[in-house]
Amino acid sequence: GQSLEQPSEVTAVEGAIVQINCTYQTSGFYGLSWYQQHDGGAPTFLSYNALDGLEETGRFSSFLSRSDSYGYLLLQELQMKDSASYFCAVRDPNDYKLSFGAGTTVTVRA
Amino acid sequence: ETGVTQTPRHLVMGMTNKKSLKCEQHLGHNAMYWYKQSAKKPLELMFVYNFKEQTENNSVPSRFSPECPNSSHLFLHLHTLQPEDSALYLCASSQGAESDEQFFGPGTRLTVL
Repeated sequence: GQSLEQPSEVTAVEGAIVQINCTYQTSGFYGLSWYQQHDGGAPTFLSYNALDGLEETGRFSSFLSRSDSYGYLLLQELQMKDSASYFCAVRDPNDYKLSFGAGTTVTVRA
Repeated sequence: ETGVTQTPRHLVMGMTNKKSLKCEQHLGHNAMYWYKQSAKKPLELMFVYNFKEQTENNSVPSRFSPECPNSSHLFLHLHTLQPEDSALYLCASSQGAESDEQFFGPGTRLTVL
């Protein structure tokens, strides 16, 4: 089975940097994904890490350490529109199932 | 707009009712999924269809019955639901079941009275 842990809430001000950590325990591992979900909206794919290291996509970056079963999503130059829930997810290579964490609610204040 | 649509967006039903949720994807994908999202809980995978064949039933009660007539359409038939089934039901699609990027619809907010 799969188990993912991430903080439930984070609050920060506009322009700040937020790091959302995700630790996982899995029976198999392909890679770590991140999704964003605004209140009342659909989850949208942000990033995917299969190999160790940092992947940068604009203001958002995602990091993976396979040896530590750990990853994080880094949100830089926070904007009000970044207020949302962020989910990490891992895929079981045995059955392709995506397992999600409970989500981190990020609140950006002016 | 992700290319995945769901209807209805909101549904209120009694425990004895029968209703169906509909999902349609316009992305040419081969895999489709049903997820249940409850407050403060991880998304729970319910069913997976790959090339119209069900490949996963994640121990879902039989009061939920999926149907995939073709690669673009997915239904979730509901009957004799319980109040604890109230949740947001999300449909998603991906190029294949092995794809890491899934595209989600806006969901159906279901309330069971």
